[in-house]
Amino acid sequence: SAVISQKPSRDICQRGTSLTIQCQVDSQVTMMFWYRQQPGQSLTLIATANQGSEATYESGFVIDKFPISRPNLTFSTLTVSNMSPEDSSIYLCSDWTDYGYTFGSGTRLTVV
Amino acid sequence: QKEVEQNSGPLSVPEGAIASLNCTYSDRGSQSFFWYRQYSGKSPELIMSIYSNGDKEDGRFTAQLNKASQYVSLLIRDSQPSDSATYLCAVREGSGYALNFGKGTSLLVTP
Repeated sequence: SAVISQKPSRDICQRGTSLTIQCQVDSQVTMMFWYRQQPGQSLTLIATANQGSEATYESGFVIDKFPISRPNLTFSTLTVSNMSPEDSSIYLCSDWTDYGYTFGSGTRLTVV
Repeated sequence: QKEVEQNSGPLSVPEGAIASLNCTYSDRGSQSFFWYRQYSGKSPELIMSIYSNGDKEDGRFTAQLNKASQYVSLLIRDSQPSDSATYLCAVREGSGYALNFGKGTSLLVTP
């Protein structure tokens, strides 16, 4: 299965600023996904990112707040824009291959 | 709203016992089902996947699927303290590729 390197692993950010999270996959994958895991909660899908097309966002998530890039089959970024304390969460990327779903190690974001 | 439901627990079992984790889902079109283990502060780790009705065994783990009842379970035999974690049930719905997760069941295996 693919291995995903995600960075940064954690960050503390000021409200009103933006943070870009990167995920690099060690093989080409068609589909990548971005999830949010708020404290004590399960994973909530933010969007699906396919190379060559606009990301598809789930209800409650918008492109202006969470812009996503997918420039090629091994890389994706998620930006958390104009952050507020409510954005404090763990953000995870994932991919899907014939071997199943693999997750990055996560980015723990704290907004102060 | 398509739902994946799990008891939050905590489920406490003594070391060596069988732990039984349950999950129900609402989308009858769902085709793929997964159990992930998540240790505190870590990302989810795939334990089992199951696609057909019946049982699937892998070492100490057995996944059971009943599509008619919209029910999937995970049995952990000979539970070890290292099995203490949150277990997430995830369902790939019929209409897409993304996973829909339950809220997870916290398992505590006591020595």
